[in-house]
Amino acid sequence: QSVLTQPPSVSAAPGQKVTISCSGSTSNIGNYYVSWYQQLPGTAPKLLIYENNQRPSGIPDRFSGSKSGTSATLGITGLQTGDEADYYCETWDRTLSAVLFGGGTKLTVL
Amino acid sequence: QVQLQESGPGLVEPSETLSLTCAVSGYSISSGYYWGWFRQPPGKGLEWIGSFYHGGSTYYNPSLKSRLTISLDTSKNQFSLKLSSVTAADTAVYYCARQTYYYDHSGFPDCWGQGTLVTVSS
Repeated sequence: QSVLTQPPSVSAAPGQKVTISCSGSTSNIGNYYVSWYQQLPGTAPKLLIYENNQRPSGIPDRFSGSKSGTSATLGITGLQTGDEADYYCETWDRTLSAVLFGGGTKLTVL
Repeated sequence: QVQLQESGPGLVEPSETLSLTCAVSGYSISSGYYWGWFRQPPGKGLEWIGSFYHGGSTYYNPSLKSRLTISLDTSKNQFSLKLSSVTAADTAVYYCARQTYYYDHSGFPDCWGQGTLVTVSS
């Protein structure tokens, strides 16, 4: 059971929009930046969003991040079949003094 | 462009020590980032193991702390992981990564190695 809660799976059709939530507490998301990762099968995680809503160079603006209170959200617009992957949120927890990941969300593009 | 590459045995016997090294190219590990280890058991999610800053600041996963050592070798621009008394539960793909520096904690990983599978079995 992860401290950060993500839905196990989400799905949407090509071209549509999807959001993935990440719920935590004041010990983590409420007071620290959130980042998001995409992990394609058999590959290392790839940074999509850092510091809540910043995109690294090379990440298309179809990917967006937001944070409100103790929850964060990853948004993906214009879904493509190549977006099928596992997505993880990440942050710091001051009570545990630990880096935390959400349990991961599997995105299916129908 | 920074690149990280894990190396080490792919098979470790139960109760032994798992040892991995991460070679870094394109960036000096003495310059302003944390350097961390992560793992992912087969079919499961990501887990942070620990992070080390060249200035001496270290953070370890509380659940692994008693078995864990992370160290830096600045002369070789690489860092290492040692996890003692391993069991089958330590079987995972192990990743090394560069992590952003924040003054009071290790930050988000921005560059990852490709990962290496370590199986604990006799």
